[in-house]
Parts: sequence; C-alpha cells; structure tokens
Amino acid sequence: EADIYQTPRYLVIGTGKKITLECSQTMGHDKMYWYQQDPGMELHLIHYSYGVNSTEKGDLSSESTVSRIRTEHFPLTLESARPSHTSQYLCASSEPTGRETQYFGPGTRLLVL
Amino acid sequence: GENVEQHPSTLSVQEGDSAVIKCTYSDSASNYFPWYKQELGKRPQLIIDIRSNVGEKKDQRIAVTLNKTAKHFSLHITETQPEDSAVYFCAASRGGSYIPTFGRGTSLIVHP
Repeated sequence: EADIYQTPRYLVIGTGKKITLECSQTMGHDKMYWYQQDPGMELHLIHYSYGVNSTEKGDLSSESTVSRIRTEHFPLTLESARPSHTSQYLCASSEPTGRETQYFGPGTRLLVL
Repeated sequence: GENVEQHPSTLSVQEGDSAVIKCTYSDSASNYFPWYKQELGKRPQLIIDIRSNVGEKKDQRIAVTLNKTAKHFSLHITETQPEDSAVYFCAASRGGSYIPTFGRGTSLIVHP
C-alpha cells in the first residue's frame, strides 16, 4: 500500500549526539517536507525538496540538514542534538502540481536529555 | 509570500451543535485550499479541500466555503460528535514551485 513511513517513532537521546530521522514514501511524489510540531500546536516548516538533489530551508530556522538522493527517501540529520530540539518531527509528501494535498508520516517524537 | 490566519485557536461546542472555523489568506493567486484534521497522537489527514473555481463543497457533515473576493474560506461541521474533537489546520497553495502555507490550527472540543 502506498504510504509514507518514518523511523524511529520515538527517540530518547543525550545532548551532543548525532541523529538521523528517516522518512520514506512509496507514493512516487516529487515534493517532500519536514515539519516540526509541538503536540497539538502549529506546523513549522523546516525543510523541503522539489525532487532529487533539491533541498531548501523552510520558515523555521533549524540546525538540522536534509538530503534527497533518491525520490522516495528524505532523511533529516541533527549533527549535535540539544534539549531545544525536543519536539515531534513530521515528514510529508505532496501530489504533483495541481492539487498539492500533503500526506503526512506518523511522526518521530524526539526527546533530548 | 502567502500568509494564512486561522480563527479561533480553540473552539468548544456541545455535541450536536455546529462548528465553524475561518481562515483568511493574503495571496490572491492561491488556488487550492485543503483542510486537515489531526487527532490526538495521530498524523494530520486531509478531510476536505476546495479549488478556487468552486464556491462551496460538501461531504456529509462537513463543508467548506470559499470567498475569493474577500480571500477567506471556512470549514463547517454540522451535528458535531465527540469524535470530531481534534486540531484542524487550513492551508493555501498555488501549485508550481510554491509551498503550501498552513494556518496555526484550531483545537475543536466537542462535549458529550
């Protein structure tokens, strides 16, 4: 079944550690996004991609980086985690131009101690 | 760039009442307006959308209206039920290289 997947779902890690949050989609979408969201709060766009080898920074300043080597894969990396990074991270992809419906992954809840 | 404002931030209703959430947008070129529902602990999911060439769209108990002149659109939920309790997000986009802009969300609470 076509879907968007995120791993891990939950992560507890110490300050200073490097982490990578994985996101994969089997929908064949070109556009992909990363959002940061505190529970029940607004969605903050931190990175997006138009397709392979395309990465852009979003509205929210973030110390993370992303890569897009394959259409289906859009990982997010934090080189040195800090307590301020504690949040939920949602990955999304969208249909081709014309409809722009976003399909979200289940999210990764990150706790940095 | 596009700016989307959403009101109210919290809405509390009794079961069976109607609920209305409103959004305004700034970019007159925006042409696609989806609404997402995010239940507690779950991912946001599309519940209804409308394109700029349509004024109203209904799907059972939910409907969306669009006023292009005033640049606002609204979500209407009739006969609310406890399972409608969630955070609702509106968004506006114009396709192409533009990225959708989300409202800040409305927490809807339906009391049994």
